[in-house]
Amino acid sequence: DSGVTQTPKHLITATGQRVTLRCSPRSGDLSVYWYQQSLDQGLQFLIQYYNGEERAKGNILERFSAQQFPDLHSELNLSSLELGDSALYFCASSVGLDLSYEQYFGPGTRLTVT
Amino acid sequence: AQSVTQLGSHVSVSEGALVLLRCNYSSSVPPYLFWYVQYPNQGLQLLLKYTSAATLVKGINGFEAEFKKSETSFHLTKPSAHMSDAAEYFCAVSDPGGGRRALTFGSGTRLQVQP
Repeated sequence: DSGVTQTPKHLITATGQRVTLRCSPRSGDLSVYWYQQSLDQGLQFLIQYYNGEERAKGNILERFSAQQFPDLHSELNLSSLELGDSALYFCASSVGLDLSYEQYFGPGTRLTVT
Repeated sequence: AQSVTQLGSHVSVSEGALVLLRCNYSSSVPPYLFWYVQYPNQGLQLLLKYTSAATLVKGINGFEAEFKKSETSFHLTKPSAHMSDAAEYFCAVSDPGGGRRALTFGSGTRLQVQP
């Protein structure tokens, strides 16, 4: 158990819908990273927040957005969903700002878009 | 842009045999390099990382990797495979420059360990 929690574990929704994925980092961790793992694209970094501020952006679509709240939990919002958005979405947390600090991954949320 | 190539999407070894998983990267400046392991239905777990200290890096579960700048490689090895090593392994490289916050992953290598 990494100490990072993600809810829900599974989500099934239809094309065009909007969903919110939630991540609670380990106690004391200030950074939250979001990743997408799909069969087509493999593992991709989406976005990083540190202490409430966006600090790095990867291959995140404009239909996707994220935020980190004052209690440091983070949410990833996916809208106008397409079949290709079906994937495993991971969050990871770390204590520091950059990758010299170890990231701890949550168990993921499996999103199925039908 | 940096990229990571993992040679061999599937590798099969016998229990007790040497494990060698290959990773080559391209980056304009020496990056941070990582190996992660993913067991079925689980998130990723860090095996080891290189952040410009010693070139031979020892990780958990008996794994190690050597950073070779001249070959732009960071291959993962373990002297003797165990059945519990069966999993998917990902090599990753950090973005170059001062930020070092974004990871680029390889496509993964699934390791099978035969009894």
